[in-house]
Amino acid sequence: ILNVEQSPQSLHVQEGDSTNFTCSFPSSNFYALHWYRWETAKSPEALFVMTLNGDEKKKGRISATLNTKEGYSYLYIKGSQPEDSATYLCAFAGGYQKVTFGTGTKLQVIP
Amino acid sequence: GAVVSQHPSRVICKSGTSVKIECRSLDFQATTMFWYRQFPKQSLMLMATSNEGSKATYEQGVEKDKFLINHASLTLSTLTVTSAHPEDSSFYICSAMEGDSIYGYTFGSGTRLTVV
Repeated sequence: ILNVEQSPQSLHVQEGDSTNFTCSFPSSNFYALHWYRWETAKSPEALFVMTLNGDEKKKGRISATLNTKEGYSYLYIKGSQPEDSATYLCAFAGGYQKVTFGTGTKLQVIP
Repeated sequence: GAVVSQHPSRVICKSGTSVKIECRSLDFQATTMFWYRQFPKQSLMLMATSNEGSKATYEQGVEKDKFLINHASLTLSTLTVTSAHPEDSSFYICSAMEGDSIYGYTFGSGTRLTVV
């Protein structure tokens, strides 16, 4: 069983604050690292797919970095807004069609 | 963008009955679909991978006879929970992949199953 860990499990931030959280994954057999945003009662929405060590991706106020050698990825949210409140999931792809999800980080942005 | 429709969103059934959950790709052909289960406060756990026209590949510990998966067309996969028991109560969600790329996982909205 692959170990994909996310931290923190949950956090509350004030509107306007920037925040970040971590996804740790095995450093061997790396294929890709996915980030998803999952709002309650909705489908998980793909944010980023990262495949190369050192990758940095950005989508609006959200960005992510990837370190495959040490097995971690950071997700950053700049200037958090209430609509950013969701669970952020990372998923480690350790081979073709083999995906292991982390437990998620639940973000609550307080207006 | 790609859309995956999953039905029903909620279902309550009696112990011993079977429940079918459908996962449809609406605007693309999904050669591969994945079924996950989520226990409370835990992550999504892959149950099985289904490829159109062939038998599903089940993860270790998942009972094939309990969770029947059919992927009869490029746009539809079904998960049937047979002889459901209260311990099968969970959140089930599917995702679909177009072609053989690792870049395109699109999720359905999930099904909350309660067995009473």
